[in-house]
Amino acid sequence: GAVVSQHPSRVICKSGTSVKIECRSLDFQATTMFWYRQFPKQSLMLMATSNEGSKATYEQGVEKDKFLINHASLTLSTLTVTSAHPEDSSFYICSASLTRGYNEQFFGPGTRLTVL
Amino acid sequence: AQSVTQPDIHITVSEGASLELRCNYSYGATPYLFWYVQSPGQGLQLLLKYFSGDTLVQGIKGFEAEFKRSQSSFNLRKPSVHWSDAAEYFCAVGAGNQFYFGTGTSLTVIP
Repeated sequence: GAVVSQHPSRVICKSGTSVKIECRSLDFQATTMFWYRQFPKQSLMLMATSNEGSKATYEQGVEKDKFLINHASLTLSTLTVTSAHPEDSSFYICSASLTRGYNEQFFGPGTRLTVL
Repeated sequence: AQSVTQPDIHITVSEGASLELRCNYSYGATPYLFWYVQSPGQGLQLLLKYFSGDTLVQGIKGFEAEFKRSQSSFNLRKPSVHWSDAAEYFCAVGAGNQFYFGTGTSLTVIP
């Protein structure tokens, strides 16, 4: 149980285009979803937290207009990287929680974004 | 400011040897504590967590961790390492509305 999927697993796009990454909780309803970014050989950096039906809460330094997060339902959250540039290339990981908060986070497998 | 420190960037152990990965945190109260493992190109898997109660926590895959309040530590241990344990290990702390990962420890297991 408690499986989280991400789609796509890898995406390559041209600079200036927008990319949407989906995060789904497959067998449970996720009250809260989190989006993280991970640079090579580095730790995960929390980008934003979203609760179903509410606007996402972004961490300091994360551009809201560049990283659009939509928590459309209790099983789906999307991250859209708008007007992507090479510096946005990274590994993006989502997680989902049964409750409001981080206590029981289940992580997706990640999405590798490469912007050319 | 809250922080999570994993002093060892990389550790190499022989298969069958014991393992201890260190984690120290800085927070005023007792936070929630977690250990995750990440295989290359994969997401994270929760090994174990501590919220309260018994300070020795048992997790999956034979791992355990001990919370020591006096040392602000939550070290991960395994008595006998298997080759499949080679991965990146992250300590994480939940405190208030914040959640922080440590910088990770890369584990190499040699036959």
